[in-house]
Amino acid sequence: QVQLQESGPGLVKPSETLSLTCSVSGGSVSSNAYYWSWIRQPPGKGLEWIGYIYYTGSTNYNPSLKSRVTISVDTSNHQFSLRLSYVTAADTAVYYCARMAYQSYGMDVWGQGSTVTVSS
Amino acid sequence: DIQMTQSPSSLSASVGDRVTIACRASQGILNYVAWYQQKPGKVPKLLIYAASTLQSGVPSRFSGSRSGTEFTLTISSLQPEDVATYYCQKYNTAPHTFGQGTKVEIK
Repeated sequence: QVQLQESGPGLVKPSETLSLTCSVSGGSVSSNAYYWSWIRQPPGKGLEWIGYIYYTGSTNYNPSLKSRVTISVDTSNHQFSLRLSYVTAADTAVYYCARMAYQSYGMDVWGQGSTVTVSS
Repeated sequence: DIQMTQSPSSLSASVGDRVTIACRASQGILNYVAWYQQKPGKVPKLLIYAASTLQSGVPSRFSGSRSGTEFTLTISSLQPEDVATYYCQKYNTAPHTFGQGTKVEIK
């Protein structure tokens, strides 16, 4: 079955750019049946939707993060990525990637999460 | 932005009880609501989408409904393994906002 795995630095300095990659196995990011999403969860808090990308490269971002977020897809390497620029301590969170069904918009497969701390 | 107000923030119930969690949208969003379960230290899990469609493999004691802009997740008979935080999410338009979460515990 499809599995997702986040990877990237666990520590990022303030004002720098957070970069995470989600590797997809057992399925294809080129499928027209799914969007590929990023969600985050600050320590002890709730879930925050970041955005998603379709295999065509079409994206949809949270307006509150839009000026700092870029989600991209690499179909040849079966992965998609998140970049968040000018990070602050408020961006410290567990970052999840997830698969979202095109028809239902339900996020049915999630990665295990990647903890990112913003600190100097 | 459309807000999703989830209530209660926490609840404690006995095994076998019927549990109801509500989520109210600040504007009409049709049926574009999903519900997720997040057990302590675990990854969120999709329970319901389109307000009332049960995700494959989810126990039938979970159900969802909609009345206008009010959405409800019901656990018909609470089980010990249902201890978790539950989130609603709207997805009609960006941002796909989550509710604040409801923490469910066993009394």
